[in-house]
Amino acid sequence: ELKVEQNPLFLSMQEGKNYTIYCNYSTTSDRLYWYRQDPGKSLESLFVLLSNGAVKQEGRLMASLDTKARLSTLHITAAVHDLSATYFCAFPRSGGSNYKLTFGKGTLLTVNP
Amino acid sequence: DTAVSQTPKYLVTQMGNDKSIKCEQNLGHDTMYWYKQDSKKFLKIMFSYNNKELIINETVPNRFSPKSPDKAHLNLHINSLELGDSAVYFCASSQEGTDYGYTFGSGTRLTVV
Repeated sequence: ELKVEQNPLFLSMQEGKNYTIYCNYSTTSDRLYWYRQDPGKSLESLFVLLSNGAVKQEGRLMASLDTKARLSTLHITAAVHDLSATYFCAFPRSGGSNYKLTFGKGTLLTVNP
Repeated sequence: DTAVSQTPKYLVTQMGNDKSIKCEQNLGHDTMYWYKQDSKKFLKIMFSYNNKELIINETVPNRFSPKSPDKAHLNLHINSLELGDSAVYFCASSQEGTDYGYTFGSGTRLTVV
């Protein structure tokens, strides 16, 4: 059965601290997506990782992909309150295609002053 | 100009009623999707259409019927609504052969009372 496991599911951290969210998936995939969802809002695309070893950074967020380990990480550096949201990883069931994204359960990040 | 627009944004209805949710995208994408997000924020694919053709039909009660009159529109009709249908329904679109993942609509919060 196809599985996507994110951990932690809940993360409460102080401003200025660093932390990493992990996304493990159970089948072969050459790409992985990260999305952000603010409360009551839609999902916004953050990163598209397209190959083994891919690393992308945007502001205080950095995402990486290790297809051999079937692991992606989303690293938060010096967290600020504006980063509070739910973060989802997702990957396609069909390799090379973005059909049918399977999502992790999401990590609810709360950044406290 | 909204890329993927859904209507209505909120829908409150009684058990047993029939309701529809509409989705339109102006991105020129060839694939559209319906996802259901439950109260725990878990996202699950329901349907996918590529150029008006149904390509993904997950295990969804047949009370749910998607319709795609053209590749820019994907509507969702739900018959005999049940309490368990309460959720947020997201429409999304993508372009096959590209690496950009999905663009999501703003969601429709359906509450069945």
